[in-house]
Amino acid sequence: QSALTQPASVSGSPGQSITISCTGTSSDVGGYKYVSWYQQHPGRAPKLIIFEVSDRPSGVSNRFSGSKSGNTASLTISGLQTEDEADYYCNSYSGSRTPWVFGGGTKLTVL
Amino acid sequence: QVQLVESGGGLVKPGGSLRLSCATSAFTFSDYYMSWVRQAPGKGLEWISYIRGDGGYTNYADSVKGRFTISRDNAKNSLYLQMNSLRAEDTAVYYCARFYSDSYGYLSAFDYWGQGTLVTVSS
Repeated sequence: QSALTQPASVSGSPGQSITISCTGTSSDVGGYKYVSWYQQHPGRAPKLIIFEVSDRPSGVSNRFSGSKSGNTASLTISGLQTEDEADYYCNSYSGSRTPWVFGGGTKLTVL
Repeated sequence: QVQLVESGGGLVKPGGSLRLSCATSAFTFSDYYMSWVRQAPGKGLEWISYIRGDGGYTNYADSVKGRFTISRDNAKNSLYLQMNSLRAEDTAVYYCARFYSDSYGYLSAFDYWGQGTLVTVSS
């Protein structure tokens, strides 16, 4: 069982917006700004798309945005495109025994 | 551009050992914390270890503590993972990843990843 809870799957149509949640505790997501999101296409390495809750690395589309409220972080993808179809993972620093914890991943299907 | 290339994966029997390597280029390797993250087949990501830039501090997930050892050779720009007493549940793709640090020097996120190397533990 993953330390952070994500929905197993979400779906949307091209052009729509979707939001993926990532729920933790005050010891991880709620307690630190070090929440990041990764996109992983099948058979490929993960790619950083959001760091420190809402910052985007250079080169990442501004269609990707992040936020946090309490113990839940969220990734929003606007203007869905077919190439957004992938698995998405959240990650957070944790003040507990395991310092870096991931969510179980969310499969995004673009219908 | 930044590159990380893992090698050393393969098939090993339960109880056996394997050493993974990660060759890096295009950045000052010794300036960065580095990490290993694994992904079991069809499963999610799991952080397993990290090491400070000078090699003087390491940390491990409970699932591998005492069995795996992370190390680095800054002269060779390379990261390593020595895996002993391997179990079936260690079967996974192993990724090396670079840690990005914020302006205060705190570890923030995994900003670059290698393509991964598959380790299969089976008799």
